[in-house]
Amino acid sequence: GAVVSQHPSRVICKSGTSVKIECRSLDFQATTMFWYRQFPKQSLMLMATSNEGSKATYEQGVEKDKFLINHASLTLSTLTVTSAHPEDSSFYICSASKGGPEKLFFGSGTQLSVL
Amino acid sequence: DAKTTQPNSMESNEEEPVHLPCNHSTISGTDYIHWYRQLPSQGPEYVIHGLTSNVNNRMASLAIAEDRKSSTLILHRATLRDAAVYYCILRDVGTGFQKLVFGTGTRLLVSP
Repeated sequence: GAVVSQHPSRVICKSGTSVKIECRSLDFQATTMFWYRQFPKQSLMLMATSNEGSKATYEQGVEKDKFLINHASLTLSTLTVTSAHPEDSSFYICSASKGGPEKLFFGSGTQLSVL
Repeated sequence: DAKTTQPNSMESNEEEPVHLPCNHSTISGTDYIHWYRQLPSQGPEYVIHGLTSNVNNRMASLAIAEDRKSSTLILHRATLRDAAVYYCILRDVGTGFQKLVFGTGTRLLVSP
């Protein structure tokens, strides 16, 4: 089956630094990728939708200057958390779509801890 | 986004069937019904999806009501590995991005 690789799985950083998370579709071209965040014991919250070669579409309340999304190719999307603060500590998950009504494929998630 | 309603939690014994309900009374004609599950500290995993007809795969069965306002995910024989949060989601393929918006899901507990 299709695989989505997310890296790193865990990152600890100091407050004020930036962190980049990569999401790769390994055996298919993802026309669209989605980024979610999840706080403990809560559901996934959609942050943004990225399409290859175009600007990401952010959900209401998500700061686009803080969460930079780049979808430079059909197999790679990156999420950069800029000037991270402790409140940004969360589980970040990406997913990829082949298009159409079919299922989404999810990465294994990145646990970000900001000290 | 069309919303779904699921019980917060359900319990089952190992080897028994499990029926996880989902209500989606505001479903539109272009909404597909998707089910995903999430094990602790992992990304969600696809389970099954359908539009109007019942669906079966190696993981589960999906029973869709005739009016499409509700559906039921059926795990035929629960195992300990099936303990997870199960999300019923409507995915509107009529929109450009076809995004998946998660609700609160049902936490399934499986006892030996």
